[in-house]
Amino acid sequence: QSVLTQPPSVSAAPGQKVTISCSGSSSNIGNNDVSWYQQFPGTTPKLLIDDNGERPSGIPDRFSGSKSGTSATLDITGLQTGDEADYYCGTWDSGLSAVVFGGGTKVTVL
Amino acid sequence: EVQLVDSGGGLVKPGGSLRLSCAASGFTFSSYTMNWVRQTPGKGLEWVSSISTGSVNKHYADSVKGRFTISRDNAKNSLYLQMNSLRDEDTAVYYCVKGPLAFDSWGQGTLVTVSS
Repeated sequence: QSVLTQPPSVSAAPGQKVTISCSGSSSNIGNNDVSWYQQFPGTTPKLLIDDNGERPSGIPDRFSGSKSGTSATLDITGLQTGDEADYYCGTWDSGLSAVVFGGGTKVTVL
Repeated sequence: EVQLVDSGGGLVKPGGSLRLSCAASGFTFSSYTMNWVRQTPGKGLEWVSSISTGSVNKHYADSVKGRFTISRDNAKNSLYLQMNSLRDEDTAVYYCVKGPLAFDSWGQGTLVTVSS
């Protein structure tokens, strides 16, 4: 069981928008910034959104992150077939003194 | 260009030990908190441990506390993970990751298989 809760999968048609939620608590998301990662099968994870809510160089602005209370959200607009991957949220948990990740969400383009 | 090269994985029996290494280049290694993150094939990411720039602060996941030890050698731009009392559930790909929190660079991973 992951400390952060993500839906196992989301899907949408090309060009549409998907939203991936990441739910936590006051000890993690509620008081710390969230990062998001993208991972294609057989490859290493890649940082999509850093803990300041910024996109690293080369990440298109179709990807955006936000946070409200103890939940965070990753939005992918203008969905493309190349966006099919697993997406993870991560943050620091002050109570555990540990980095925690969500269980991951598989994005499928219909 | 940032490069992290993980090594040291392999097949080990339950109860055995293994030492992972990570060679870093392309950035000022001594200025960054470093981490180990693992992933069981087909499963999600699990953070294992982190170490601060001067090795003063070390943190561990509860699942490895007391069995794993993280260390670094800033003179050699290297990160290590000493893994003792290995269990079946430690089987995973282990990644060296540049921190402190937004993990912007990952090693290629080294596979650790714990099996009798």
